[in-house]
Amino acid sequence: DTGVSQNPRHKITKRGQNVTFRCDPISEHNRLYWYRQTLGQGPEFLTYFQNEAQLEKSRLLSDRFSAERPKGSFSTLEIQRTEQGDSAMYLCASSFGLGTDAFFGQGTRLTVV
Amino acid sequence: GNSVTQMEGPVTLSEEAFLTINCTYTATGYPSLFWYVQYPGEGLQLLLKATKADDKGSNKGFEATYRKETTSFHLEKGSVQVSDSAVYFCALIPSFTGGGNKLTFGTGTQLKVEL
Repeated sequence: DTGVSQNPRHKITKRGQNVTFRCDPISEHNRLYWYRQTLGQGPEFLTYFQNEAQLEKSRLLSDRFSAERPKGSFSTLEIQRTEQGDSAMYLCASSFGLGTDAFFGQGTRLTVV
Repeated sequence: GNSVTQMEGPVTLSEEAFLTINCTYTATGYPSLFWYVQYPGEGLQLLLKATKADDKGSNKGFEATYRKETTSFHLEKGSVQVSDSAVYFCALIPSFTGGGNKLTFGTGTQLKVEL
């Protein structure tokens, strides 16, 4: 197992465009988390899934953001009508269950121009 | 709410110097405490953790002790190396998670170690 994989690693988009990121967790990890990290700040929680169910969403996740995890495997995070304030590193993490350690991917760096 | 406060960086040290990065937290009950490290161009890696008061987490020469009385979890290393240059994040998971295990992070402290 190669760990948590995120694609693409970098994305540059024009303001107003839609973007989609993908996260492949460690196999058999049933929990999957999305975080956002802006420059000079620590990661902030966005949302998490247990299997295919999205169990919690942060208030940071505006209506323009949507996340899915069909079949409880990989997850996608879509941002519609991107804004410059969406520029950040989007991190994905997975864990086996409650009380177990989370493993992070390398992140997708989004730049909105 | 839950929060983590870390000392601001960057911290610049000479190789073999002693390292301390301060971390204090605000949370109800007994949170689990973590240190993550982020090397340039890499994702976050768990460095060490402690899940109850007075526990000491240790890994790769780094250690941190969970101090409930001072709500602190300071990171220490006796002799740093150039390869330790990275950004270090203190984080917590509250004791009552409602089923989630989401981490609350500090802002990170950049460490630069020079020869």
